[in-house]
Amino acid sequence: AQTVTQSQPEMSVQEAETVTLSCTYDTSESDYYLFWYKQPPSRQMILVIRQEAYKQQNATENRFSVNFQKAAKSFSLKISDSQLGDAAMYFCAYRREAGSGDKLTFGTGTRLAVRP
Amino acid sequence: DAGITQSPRHKVTETGTPVTLRCHQTENHRYMYWYRQDPGHGLRLIHYSYGVKDTDKGEVSDGYSVSRSKTEDFLLTLESATSSQTSVYFCASSNVLARSGANVLTFGAGSRLTVL
Repeated sequence: AQTVTQSQPEMSVQEAETVTLSCTYDTSESDYYLFWYKQPPSRQMILVIRQEAYKQQNATENRFSVNFQKAAKSFSLKISDSQLGDAAMYFCAYRREAGSGDKLTFGTGTRLAVRP
Repeated sequence: DAGITQSPRHKVTETGTPVTLRCHQTENHRYMYWYRQDPGHGLRLIHYSYGVKDTDKGEVSDGYSVSRSKTEDFLLTLESATSSQTSVYFCASSNVLARSGANVLTFGAGSRLTVL
């Protein structure tokens, strides 16, 4: 079974600074997808960024980028120019490429605080 | 996101009573999911559906049943609620799996259930 580990329960960053959230996963699959979801206090789950394992290029979405290290099974999220609105719980998630619908396996989350 | 709604949003009930949570989506998505979110555990899959009347168990399915009689509705039932089922429940949906990885889960806003 696949597992996703987020070893940082809480992180803090100064506004306008950069922060990196860690995620590691365990799988025997060669093709899969990885995601970062944001959950603000409203509880809504919001997709931040996704990465296809067969792509070597790291995904980027504006101020959000990932460092995908397939051999190390590592998928970290970097938030640049942090804003107060980035304060939230962040979840890393894994999905097999095929044969499982779109079922996601989530990590336990990292709560990010942004200091003004 | 108006595409997927959950009801009720909040419910308090007593141990031993039946509870049904409803998920309604207007996206015509094939796949639907029920997750529960608990501190220290992230989101865990309870049940999922890959079509009308086609459902399967997730990793924490004990004590839960589901039904899907229409594409747009996915019901989660706790036959006899227990205190361990106090949680926030999320419904999600997605469309047919594609190699492109474009099948992102759309989440509902969550339903907070308290079992006394």
